[in-house]
This record gives sequence, C-alpha cells and structure tokens, in this order.
Amino acid sequence: DSGVTQTPKHLITATGQRVTLRCSPRSGDLSVYWYQQSLDQGLQFLIQYYNGEERAKGNILERFSAQQFPDLHSELNLSSLELGDSALYFCASSTRLAGSTDTQYFGPGTRLTVL
Amino acid sequence: GQQVMQIPQYQHVQEGEDFTTYCNSSTTLSNIQWYKQRPGGHPVFLIQLVKSGEVKKQKRLTFQFGEAKKNSSLHITATQTTDVGTYFCAGPDRGSTLGRLYFGRGTQLTVWP
Repeated sequence: DSGVTQTPKHLITATGQRVTLRCSPRSGDLSVYWYQQSLDQGLQFLIQYYNGEERAKGNILERFSAQQFPDLHSELNLSSLELGDSALYFCASSTRLAGSTDTQYFGPGTRLTVL
Repeated sequence: GQQVMQIPQYQHVQEGEDFTTYCNSSTTLSNIQWYKQRPGGHPVFLIQLVKSGEVKKQKRLTFQFGEAKKNSSLHITATQTTDVGTYFCAGPDRGSTLGRLYFGRGTQLTVWP
C-alpha cells in the first residue's frame, strides 16, 4: 500500500459524458501527478500540482482539467469523453517540489471505460 | 524535448534465464529511477541511482547508471515467475525543480515456467 488513494476504482460511462477522478496523496506529500496509461502504452504524464498550484503540464487534452484543493487532494475532470479516453488513470505523489531525488508513489489507479 | 527511451519493449524468457532492459536519455540525468508494475497493478518504486557509474543490487536485480549519466540498465539474474511485470526507468526534468519525471515506455517481461 503506497498511501495514495484513488476513487473510484472503476468507472464506466458513455461518450460525451463528464467524469471526475479523485486522488488523495500520501500524508505530507505536497506534489500530485496525474498519468494516463492506455493498453500496452507507457505512462503518459498529464499534469502536476504542488501545494495547490499547477506546476507542469504534459500531454493533457483541453477537455481535461485538474485541480488540487487546500487539503491537498486532487481531482481530474474529463469531459466530452471519447472512446479513446478509455484508460487507466494513475495519480502519484511525492514529498518535495525539487524533483531531483524524489520518488513518486502511485495510487492503485482508476480504470475508465467509455462506451 | 527531453526523452527517455527504453528497450526492448517486450521480453519473453524461460524461468531461470537472465533478463536485461536498457534505458537511454537524450540528456544527462541527475538521477535515474526504476519502477515495476505488476499486471493489473500500479508502478512501484524500486531504486534510484545518482552517481556516475553507480551499481546497486537488490537480490537478483542489478541496476547500473552509465558513466555519462545518460543510460542505465536493469539486469535480473535467473528470472522467476514473480519477476513478471513491466519495468520502467524514469529521469527527472533536466535543470528544473518541478519534480516531473520522464518515464520510458517500459519493458514488459513475461516469464515462462
């Protein structure tokens, strides 16, 4: 158990819908990262938040948005869903902003299926 | 942009055979990290290498960081079925304090009993 929690574990929805994925980082971790992993694909970095502020953006679509709240939990919002958005979405957290020696602790993931 | 490349993408071995995955970065890395993702699981941190030429061992796993700090390898001796999974290398964002990691595509290891 990494200490990172993600809900829900599974999500099945239809095209065009909007969903929210939730992540609670490890106690004391200020950075939260979101990744997308499609079948047989690597980890695609989406976005990073640190202490409530957006710090880095990766290949995140405009239909996707995220935020980190004062209690440090984070939410990833996916809208106008398409079939291709079906994937595993991981949240990870780390302790410090400076990343040169930090490791990331991954949550169990949310499996999104868009029908 | 910064890239971390990993080969091979897939590797199938007989139990007891050795396995190696290689990681190359387009830029010099301050450190490199390795993660393992079991089937159906999430990536789990294995190790971090920081020094040029560093070699670290974890039981049957040997991790190396190249002298130029641009490449790394993970070698597993006498694989077991418990080694099945995808192994990722990851390097930090060069010259940045953002904390972002660049992950390789991963090597998916299958071990036949």
